[in-house]
Amino acid sequence: GDSVTQMEGPVTLSEEAFLTINCTYTATGYPSLFWYVQYPGEGLQLLLKATKADDKGSNKGFEATYRKETTSFHLEKGSVQVSDSAVYFCALSIQGAQKLVFGQGTRLTINP
Amino acid sequence: EAQVTQNPRYLITVTGKKLTVTCSQNMNHEYMSWYRQDPGLGLRQIYYSMNVEVTDKGDVPEGYKVSRKEKRNFPLILESPSPNQTSLYFCASSLTVGTGYPRSPLHFGNGTRLTVT
Repeated sequence: GDSVTQMEGPVTLSEEAFLTINCTYTATGYPSLFWYVQYPGEGLQLLLKATKADDKGSNKGFEATYRKETTSFHLEKGSVQVSDSAVYFCALSIQGAQKLVFGQGTRLTINP
Repeated sequence: EAQVTQNPRYLITVTGKKLTVTCSQNMNHEYMSWYRQDPGLGLRQIYYSMNVEVTDKGDVPEGYKVSRKEKRNFPLILESPSPNQTSLYFCASSLTVGTGYPRSPLHFGNGTRLTVT
């Protein structure tokens, strides 16, 4: 079945470090791919998305490129801030399926 | 302010005591859904609704009921809660549905942390 696998956390970095959170997927058909972010005590918010191969989603300094050949959608940011501390979820949707399939989430902590 | 509102935020109950978690959205969204979040498992869909009076099972529907009598409300009902339903629950909505879901981003509520003893 359709699934999403994220790198295990937690991930701890220093401020201004480079961030990569790996995400790979298995899907039948042609999924749309998403990154959601969950700040403490809040619901999930859409961070960025890509709907077809080679698309790059970007928002708030974060980027992710839809790589069909490697079935990946890795999240990157060049210089993280303390305010980026949160849990990040990679997700996919399949045409005709009425849901998002989420990865297990990666907790990110940024130290000053 | 556009939002999805869940109540209560925290709930502690005992096995077998019926409970309802309410969810309301003020964005006139067609699509609504419930997810549960468990450590190491991410979010899993419980039920969803594509419009009023149209609901269907997600991946983990056992032990849950829902109803969609009005467009804005989508309550989650646990008729006889058990400890394995201890979890963090999220309601979400989306503007439109179609052959490719979701046509627009999911908007999430802030969650309901349920503990069943």
